[in-house]
Amino acid sequence: ILNVEQSPQSLHVQEGDSTNFTCSFPSSNFYALHWYRWETAKSPEALFVMTLNGDEKKKGRISATLNTKEGYSYLYIKGSQPEDSATYLCAFPGSYNTDKLIFGTGTRLQVFP
Amino acid sequence: NAGVTQTPKFQVLKTGQSMTLQCAQDMNHEYMSWYRQDPGMGLRLIHYSVGAGITDQGEVPNGYNVSRSTTEDFPLRLLSAAPSQTSVYFCASSRGLAGGLGEDEQFFGPGTRLTVL
Repeated sequence: ILNVEQSPQSLHVQEGDSTNFTCSFPSSNFYALHWYRWETAKSPEALFVMTLNGDEKKKGRISATLNTKEGYSYLYIKGSQPEDSATYLCAFPGSYNTDKLIFGTGTRLQVFP
Repeated sequence: NAGVTQTPKFQVLKTGQSMTLQCAQDMNHEYMSWYRQDPGMGLRLIHYSVGAGITDQGEVPNGYNVSRSTTEDFPLRLLSAAPSQTSVYFCASSRGLAGGLGEDEQFFGPGTRLTVL
């Protein structure tokens, strides 16, 4: 059974603060790691799909890094805004020939004005 | 493109009743899946399909059936509803490369909120 862990569970920051959170996954047989953003009362939306060790992806103020050898990915938000408030999920499909995407429980971010 | 659509948005059932949650996508995606979302548990995979005519179990399949007769549709059937099935259900689809879906992001429907009394 794959274990995908995210920390912290929740985070409260002030507008303008930069923040980051972690996704940990089994490092053996790595194939890809997904990050999703999930706003309250909406559906999860994909942010990044990362496949290469050392990869860094960026979308506006949000970026992510990947370390497949040690089994973790960081998501960074620079200069948090209230509209960044959401739950951020990572998901791990395990090895190449798996058809199951296993999600972590998420980090719930609240940005106060 | 409508993307992934789900009906109904809300449903209340009594224990023992059966019903079908509908899911459709218009992106010609091969891979479709059903998740349930419970507080503190994140998204848990119920069933998935890698193409028409092919389905398989996820993490929490008990009490649910699926079928995939077309590429577009992937209904989820609750055979005999139980209060433990009270949850929000999300359908998702992705392009689904042969041999694995690792590189393909999933597109989620708007969800169905189900309450079983």
